[in-house]
Amino acid sequence: AAGVIQSPRHLIKEKRETATLKCYPIPRHDTVYWYQQGPGQDPQFLISFYEKMQSDKGSIPDRFSAQQFSDYHSELNMSSLELGDSALYFCASSLWREGQPQHFGDGTRLSIL
Amino acid sequence: SQQGEEDPQALSIQEGENATMNCSYKTSINNLQWYRQNSGRGLVHLILIRSNEREKHSGRLRVTLDTSKKSSSLLITASRAADTASYFCATLRWGDDKIIFGKGTRLHILP
Repeated sequence: AAGVIQSPRHLIKEKRETATLKCYPIPRHDTVYWYQQGPGQDPQFLISFYEKMQSDKGSIPDRFSAQQFSDYHSELNMSSLELGDSALYFCASSLWREGQPQHFGDGTRLSIL
Repeated sequence: SQQGEEDPQALSIQEGENATMNCSYKTSINNLQWYRQNSGRGLVHLILIRSNEREKHSGRLRVTLDTSKKSSSLLITASRAADTASYFCATLRWGDDKIIFGKGTRLHILP
């Protein structure tokens, strides 16, 4: 079965650069979530989209923005990168029905030098 | 603030033994979910238990939920080396669509 696809798998950037992470949800899933997981930490919710509209917002820095496109894929744009942004970034998708489980991609490992 | 707290933080057991992990949370929830994460990989959904359910089974997994104590437990029976991973509980509050993760338990199955 098709899973959530994230690209790239690994990304190395320098401070103050920008980065774009992409997420392709499971077909027919209408909701996308973004999480950030630091080393040894639990995943922290950043932002979510339902039917291309932002549905919820968590601890996402103002330097980050995201959107969901008409084909339901989503992109997380990160600017003025800082060392502390080094983390695993996960995307998850689900159906917009209460209590549906989220299905996660394998993540993008972002390293800031 | 953190919705879910798990204990123990780390657990090492012999292959074949049962592993029990606990999760406590703070607010009223719609459901509680357990996820597994292998090192550096994505989270795999294991099981979901709704607030009106007390126990649920899936293969070698057994999950309980006590809403009066705001706690849940995950039992893995007859553990295998492949069960070595981090296990996270995550809660969905009423009216929310995002889930909040606990800090996870690192499980190591010894051969």
